[in-house]
Amino acid sequence: DAGVIQSPRHEVTEMGQEVTLRCKPISGHNSLFWYRQTMMRGLELLIYFNNNVPIDDSGMPEDRFSAKMPNASFSTLKIQPSEPRDSAVYFCASRGQGLGGEQYFGPGTRLTVT
Amino acid sequence: AQSVTQLGSHVSVSEGALVLLRCNYSSSVPPYLFWYVQYPNQGLQLLLKYTTGATLVKGINGFEAEFKKSETSFHLTKPSAHMSDAAEYFCAVSEGSSYKLIFGSGTRLLVRP
Repeated sequence: DAGVIQSPRHEVTEMGQEVTLRCKPISGHNSLFWYRQTMMRGLELLIYFNNNVPIDDSGMPEDRFSAKMPNASFSTLKIQPSEPRDSAVYFCASRGQGLGGEQYFGPGTRLTVT
Repeated sequence: AQSVTQLGSHVSVSEGALVLLRCNYSSSVPPYLFWYVQYPNQGLQLLLKYTTGATLVKGINGFEAEFKKSETSFHLTKPSAHMSDAAEYFCAVSEGSSYKLIFGSGTRLLVRP
C-alpha cells in the first residue's frame, strides 16, 4: 500500500496567490482529515470528511480556506488569497471504518508564503 | 470535553536509559488512546493504540503504554533508549463514535550519547 499521498511536498508562493494542496487517501478508507502544524499552535485539525461529505469544518481559520473531496480518492485544500501567516506544514490523514480506528498520515506539504 | 495533557515539552535521556513520556486525558466515556511519533520532516506514524481489552499495549520499536483508568493516564515507556528514538511524540484520544483525534501538544525526546 502506498499510504497517504500528498502533493506538492514543498510549496513557496507569494502573498496573495492561490495555493492548492492535494491528497490521495489510502484506498478503502472513508474518512479524511486535513491538519495544520506550526511551532506556535502545534497540530490543528482544519476539517474532516466522512464518505466524501464535510462533517466538521470548525477548524478552518477563515473564508480564505476551502476544502473539497469530489470522490473517495482525492481531496484538495485551497487557500485564496494566501498570507504569510498561512506558512505551515499541512498534513492529510485518512482512516478506515469502525470505532477506535487510527488515522494514517501523509508526509505533509510544507507551505511558505512570502 | 475531551482533552489530552502531555507533561514536559522536552525530555532528555541518555542512550540505554528508560524512556517515560507522560500523557493524561479527560474523557466522559471510555476512550480510545493513541501514541504517534513524528521524525523530522515526516508525517505522524502510529506507535501503538488502546481500544479495549488488555491495558498494557505493545507497539513498534520496543515501545509500550499502559492504560490506567483510575489515573486517566496512558504513559509511554521504553526500557532502553536508542539514538534513533529522538523524535517528537504525540498522545491522542478519540471518543466513541467521533472520528476526530484530540492531540496533546507533543513531547520532544532527546537522546544523549
